[in-house]
Amino acid sequence: NAGVTQTPKFQVLKTGQSMTLQCAQDMNHEYMSWYRQDPGMGLRLIHYSVGAGITDQGEVPNGYNVSRSTTEDFPLRLLSAAPSQTSVYFCASSYSRGAYEKLFFGSGTQLSVL
Amino acid sequence: AQTVTQSQPEMSVQEAETVTLSCTYDTSESNYYLFWYKQPPSRQMILVIRQEAYKQQNATENRFSVNFQKAAKSFSLKISDSQLGDTAMYFCAFMKPQGGSEKLVFGKGTKLTVNP
Repeated sequence: NAGVTQTPKFQVLKTGQSMTLQCAQDMNHEYMSWYRQDPGMGLRLIHYSVGAGITDQGEVPNGYNVSRSTTEDFPLRLLSAAPSQTSVYFCASSYSRGAYEKLFFGSGTQLSVL
Repeated sequence: AQTVTQSQPEMSVQEAETVTLSCTYDTSESNYYLFWYKQPPSRQMILVIRQEAYKQQNATENRFSVNFQKAAKSFSLKISDSQLGDTAMYFCAFMKPQGGSEKLVFGKGTKLTVNP
């Protein structure tokens, strides 16, 4: 099993550009989520989904958009990149609708916005 | 809102010794889950241990164990016989059941270095 796959691993954007971070899992997990990790801040939840067609906001959703058209995929869209969005982004999934069980993480996307 | 506090930004330990990482949390809930995640230099997040609040017995996973003090809202991680591969960032996390909309709240992390 591939687990949770994130692409790309690294990305540099200019302010105002848009892009999509891809996340795919092959474990038939219902629950998927996006976190951002900033130095000294830990991980903060951006958006999450408890199943196809269902998404909700986390702690820091502004500037990001998500959709969940299939169980496998949960892309994160940056609508107009800003330097404040420079961060490492993690996608994570779990078996259950809630994260009661273990969260499986992708390897992260390091994003720099100039 | 729940908060998770890790008061030790950095710690170090000698190989084969024991180290304890601290975590406290703030909640008014009685039923919740607590986690410790490890992030080595590879950046991959790995679950170390999980504790259910309604269980009084402390969780253990091989060399890793927790000291869960519910009344004190404390959830410390003990690593015994430390190994070089334990060098990593360690994150404490809290989650309360919310009918399928659960959110994991992380602390800011403790950077652990195991010295040879």
